[in-house]
Amino acid sequence: AQKITQTQPGMFVQEKEAVTLDCTYDTSDQSYGLFWYKQPSSGEMIFLIYQGSYDEQNATEGRYSLNFQKARKSANLVISASQLGDSAMYFCAMREFSSGSARQLTFGSGTQLTVLP
Amino acid sequence: NAGVTQTPKFQVLKTGQSMTLQCAQDMNHNSMYWYRQDPGMGLRLIYYSASEGTTDKGEVPNGYNVSRLNKREFSLRLESAAPSQTSVYFCASSEQGTGELFFGEGSRLTVL
Repeated sequence: AQKITQTQPGMFVQEKEAVTLDCTYDTSDQSYGLFWYKQPSSGEMIFLIYQGSYDEQNATEGRYSLNFQKARKSANLVISASQLGDSAMYFCAMREFSSGSARQLTFGSGTQLTVLP
Repeated sequence: NAGVTQTPKFQVLKTGQSMTLQCAQDMNHNSMYWYRQDPGMGLRLIYYSASEGTTDKGEVPNGYNVSRLNKREFSLRLESAAPSQTSVYFCASSEQGTGELFFGEGSRLTVL
């Protein structure tokens, strides 16, 4: 079974609008972390935001926020006030802390976001 | 400010040739990883090293070998390249078991 599912292969948003990128995950661990990365067309992987499973507040980093719904096992990324430079591939990832898997990150298949002027 | 450095950035091989991708990090991280990225499949873990002196298989290890030369360096070797190994390869490092991964810029490998 897929551990990380991103159901939106591509998304479009108008500049200055907000956009939500979906991510659902599957784990039996109680302790885990959820990450979002951005990959622009230049190819590098840029860390955006992190949410721990025990964090009570949703994580925020500038224009990025993570809508964490633990019971639904979802960790959606919200980008507010989209900018042209936000056009990129976005990956959701999970690290399980309590299993014996040595804690590597498992990635979803990504969502290609295009911001329209 | 080097972070994670991978070499080479581009490589073209013929089927059956061998090569080694080099990776070095200067952040004193314990854990290092090799991922491959293919269209529509995200990043998949090939091998990782939780700490110096240890290596373990990830999701897609077949056709690859790794060496954790020291705390800084983690190399990935293709002994007999196959067209299915055409991909973009990323090296990454992290504090052991916690925190985000820091990635290199990627190495684009084409096997003809």
